[in-house]
Amino acid sequence: QKEVEQNSGPLSVPEGAIASLNCTYSDRGSQSFFWYRQYSGKSPELIMFIYSNGDKEDGRFTAQLNKASQYVSLLIRDSQPSDSATYLCAVSRAGTALIFGKGTTLSVSS
Amino acid sequence: EAQVTQNPRYLITVTGKKLTVTCSQNMNHEYMSWYRQDPGLGLRQIYYSMNVEVTDKGDVPEGYKVSRKEKRNFPLILESPSPNQTSLYFCASSFGGGSNNEQFFGPGTRLTVL
Repeated sequence: QKEVEQNSGPLSVPEGAIASLNCTYSDRGSQSFFWYRQYSGKSPELIMFIYSNGDKEDGRFTAQLNKASQYVSLLIRDSQPSDSATYLCAVSRAGTALIFGKGTTLSVSS
Repeated sequence: EAQVTQNPRYLITVTGKKLTVTCSQNMNHEYMSWYRQDPGLGLRQIYYSMNVEVTDKGDVPEGYKVSRKEKRNFPLILESPSPNQTSLYFCASSFGGGSNNEQFFGPGTRLTVL
């Protein structure tokens, strides 16, 4: 059974702090890694994707991938109250379905 | 506008009354998928389709049917709904698997089965 594990949270950080969200996966053949953000009652929206080991930055967001440790993380710098949401980690290998984690709830207090 | 649409957005029905939730995408995506989302269980895949006339079971297919007669449409059918199918349903589409598997989600359908 391929699994994606996330700490459910809630993760609480003050405004302006760095939020660190973590995800581990069981399928060593996974090739693509995604972070989705989901506001309550809304559909998931893609924030970042990463395919190679290392860091990938996009604005305030940085995705980090370590395939040897089967670990992917998302850092949110200068966290804002509008970042309060559930963050879903998802992984896949070529030609197969995305496997989602259950999500981590982030709360940013002003 | 590129989008995935679902109808209806909200539905309250009774046990055993067949229903269909429609899903349509205008991005010429090959891959389409249905998920259900329940508190504490996350997003679970029901069925997916790699292309027209090609469908396969996801993690929780029991009680559901799908069809893919056209590339743009992927309806979800509940032949005899039961209360345990009360959930939030999402349709999603993408160009395919692997590196192209950025999935675009529809707005969701909140289904209540009494």
